Amino acid sequence: GAVVSQHPSWVICKSGTSVKIECRSLDFQATTMFWYRQFPKQSLMLMATSNEGSKATYEQGVEKDKFLINHASLTLSTLTVTSAHPEDSSFYICSARGPGTDEQFFGPGTRLTVL
Amino acid sequence: DQQVKQNSPSLSVQEGRISILNCDYTNSMFDYFLWYKKYPAEGPTFLISISSIKDKNEDGRFTVFLNKSAKHLSLHIVPSQPGDSAVYFCAASAISGGSNYKLTFGKGTLLTVNP
Repeated sequence: GAVVSQHPSWVICKSGTSVKIECRSLDFQATTMFWYRQFPKQSLMLMATSNEGSKATYEQGVEKDKFLINHASLTLSTLTVTSAHPEDSSFYICSARGPGTDEQFFGPGTRLTVL
Repeated sequence: DQQVKQNSPSLSVQEGRISILNCDYTNSMFDYFLWYKKYPAEGPTFLISISSIKDKNEDGRFTVFLNKSAKHLSLHIVPSQPGDSAVYFCAASAISGGSNYKLTFGKGTLLTVNP
């Protein structure tokens, strides 16, 4: 149980295009989902926290208009990187937390490369 | 400002010996600590956690020790196995402070267990 999937697992896009990444909790209802970004040899940096049906809370320094987060259902959250640039190339990981638990379950991550 | 620090980027141990991974934190509001294991191009998987009301938590070969006065925790793996080779992340959360279970990660330590 407690499986989180991400799609796609990797994506290559041209500079200026938008990319959508999906995060799904497959066997539980995720009241809260988190989006992280990891640059090489760096820690996972939290970008935003989203609760189902409400607006995401972004961490300081993360542009909400560039990284659009939608958490429309208890099993799906999406991150859209708008007008992507090469510096947005990174490993994006989501995690999900179900009700009544402290634990976060992580997805396998999405490798984004912007050319 | 790195609130969770893993000062050793890598550690190499012999199979069967003990692996000790260290983590320091600066935020006194942190009251819940976790260790995650991560393979390349995959999301982190939860290993073990400890609440600030405890100083030790054990689960099989994994033991986490917490020294609140020193703001230091360590993960002991004994005996170490080649399959333990991965990057280990220390993470912390301020649950009682209403952080919505937001995790702050260290940069990780690459553990290599040699056969």
